[in-house]
Amino acid sequence: RKEVEQDPGPFNVPEGATVAFNCTYSNSASQSFFWYRQDCRKEPKLLMSVYSSGNEDGRFTAQLNRASQYISLLIRDSKLSDSATYLCVVNTREKSNYQLIWGAGTKLIIKP
Amino acid sequence: NAGVTQTPKFRVLKTGQSMTLLCAQDMNHEYMYWYRQDPGMGLRLIHYSVGEGTTAKGEVPDGYNVSRLKKQNFLLGLESAAPSQTSVYFCATTPSISYGELFFGEGSRLTVL
Repeated sequence: RKEVEQDPGPFNVPEGATVAFNCTYSNSASQSFFWYRQDCRKEPKLLMSVYSSGNEDGRFTAQLNRASQYISLLIRDSKLSDSATYLCVVNTREKSNYQLIWGAGTKLIIKP
Repeated sequence: NAGVTQTPKFRVLKTGQSMTLLCAQDMNHEYMYWYRQDPGMGLRLIHYSVGEGTTAKGEVPDGYNVSRLKKQNFLLGLESAAPSQTSVYFCATTPSISYGELFFGEGSRLTVL
């Protein structure tokens, strides 16, 4: 089992719809969680951190479920410009070492 | 404000050739990373550095070497390129690992024939 797993998609969604996808992680010692966005042939960029209480940034909502070991990203009122690959990242601390583990990404395509 | 700059952005090599990728940052960050990204896979850490003069192996270090002689530069070397090293290479920096956010360069696309 991969340490961080994502559905590769693609998720084909009409403009204006709501879409959500999850990311599961295997290490219960994981401490912090992030969603990155990566446009085609570009570098990843931080979209948002994921806090225990959940957090919202405009149309984007991130949630953490520690009991089931997954994080989620919800996008409301999707725009064409939301088309991208969304990468989840899990920061795990073991002893004094931090390790960032990346999911392979979920591809999202917003259609007009 | 350049941020993180990678050179070269594209390169084609023949099997057995050597080359060096340069990552330069003007953000004064301590931590620097080299990742490779292949289709269908997450970013995989090759080597990283927690400060000037330090380097450490990541998940997939074989076939690569690195150096961090100056704080702002992190070099990734391929001594004898192999087709399996065809990939997109990303450099990233962060002020500290617990900070969470990584700042990436634009990537370097390497093809080994």
